Amino acid sequence: QKEVEQNSGPLSVPEGAIASLNCTYSDRGSQSFFWYRQYSGKSPELIMFIYSNGDKEDGRFTAQLNKASQYVSLLIRDSQPSDSATYLCAPRGGNTPLVFGKGTRLSVIA
Amino acid sequence: EPEVTQTPSHQVTQMGQEVILRCVPISNHLYFYWYRQILGQKVEFLVSFYNNEISEKSEIFDDQFSVERPDGSNFTLKIRSTKLEDSAMYFCASSEDRAYGQPQHFGDGTRLSIL
Repeated sequence: QKEVEQNSGPLSVPEGAIASLNCTYSDRGSQSFFWYRQYSGKSPELIMFIYSNGDKEDGRFTAQLNKASQYVSLLIRDSQPSDSATYLCAPRGGNTPLVFGKGTRLSVIA
Repeated sequence: EPEVTQTPSHQVTQMGQEVILRCVPISNHLYFYWYRQILGQKVEFLVSFYNNEISEKSEIFDDQFSVERPDGSNFTLKIRSTKLEDSAMYFCASSEDRAYGQPQHFGDGTRLSIL
């Protein structure tokens, strides 16, 4: 059984702060890691993905991957109220389907 | 920007009835997926489809479910005899190919309510 663990939150951060979202996964065969954002009642929206150990930056977002620790994180710099959503971590092994975590609910307080 | 479109946005059906959910994937994408999300729960994989056949399916995707690509643009999910527990958001997704680095792009979803 492939497990993806995320703290359900809510994670509350003040506007302008850095939000740190964490994810651990059980499947050592996972090769790529996707972060999706989901607003309430909406569909998952791709933010970014990473497949090499280390950091990958895209605008205000940075994904960090440590395959040895089976850990992936997403940092959001200069958090805005519009970033308030649930963030879904989804590892993927090879060409297998996405396995989603339950997500972390982020609340950015203005 | 190209997007995945799904219809209808909301479907209300009596238990035991058949329902067909429709999706138009992004035009140059080759792999198609259906996921579902029961209210308050995580997004779950149902089935993937490539070259007019199912490439992988989950335990959820039992004999009551079927998928079809009836023409060059549509991709459908059929539930033959709906149950109350089929009530969920159903998301269609597509990707250019299924290499591990290829992202899947999701449609807005169909909210299925079984009465």
